[in-house]
Amino acid sequence: AQSVAQPEDQVNVAEGNPLTVKCTYSVSGNPYLFWYVQYPNRGLQFLLKYITGDNLVKGSYGFEAEFNKSQTSFHLKKPSALVSDSALYFCAVRDMTAQFYFGTGTSLTVIP
Amino acid sequence: NAGVTQTPKFRVLKTGQSMTLLCAQDMNHEYMYWYRQDPGMGLRLIHYSVGEGTTAKGEVPDGYNVSRLKKQNFLLGLESAAPSQTSVYFCASSFEETQYFGPGTRLLVL
Repeated sequence: AQSVAQPEDQVNVAEGNPLTVKCTYSVSGNPYLFWYVQYPNRGLQFLLKYITGDNLVKGSYGFEAEFNKSQTSFHLKKPSALVSDSALYFCAVRDMTAQFYFGTGTSLTVIP
Repeated sequence: NAGVTQTPKFRVLKTGQSMTLLCAQDMNHEYMYWYRQDPGMGLRLIHYSVGEGTTAKGEVPDGYNVSRLKKQNFLLGLESAAPSQTSVYFCASSFEETQYFGPGTRLLVL
């Protein structure tokens, strides 16, 4: 069965410091992996995706993610956090039937 | 270009009542999805559609029905609402694997 795990419910980081939000996955076949961000009382917004190619994927707002096949991980990173990055982040995987499976989300707080 | 819109934004139902949530997209996307979001559970797929006239069950389909009579619309129905269906419902449409989400419908079942 397909699944996504986000082991941290909450991540706190000081403004200007690098941030990492962790994600591991389980899927049959080649993984299609995604990161989405949700601001309060809003829908989810697409940040980036990995389909194939380079393991380091760059996305919106300076975020990037590294695909690691051996560790089945797809961690979200940003070199320098901003207060405005504070939000709820979701990792997701798409299977061959076009179904998406989301993690439970990680709440990121960037402290000024 | 409105993207993905959802109607209504908020609704209160009594147990046993029925209602339909409407999702509309103006991006000509083939794939459309209905999710529910509950605290600590993330998003869970209810039903989805890979094209006009087609629907398929997702992870948590019980108590819900859907229809995709027109490509741009995807309807989610609750025939007999239960308190366990209190949630925030999100619709999404998809192009080249990327999903675009609506603003959500907050549903409270008393």
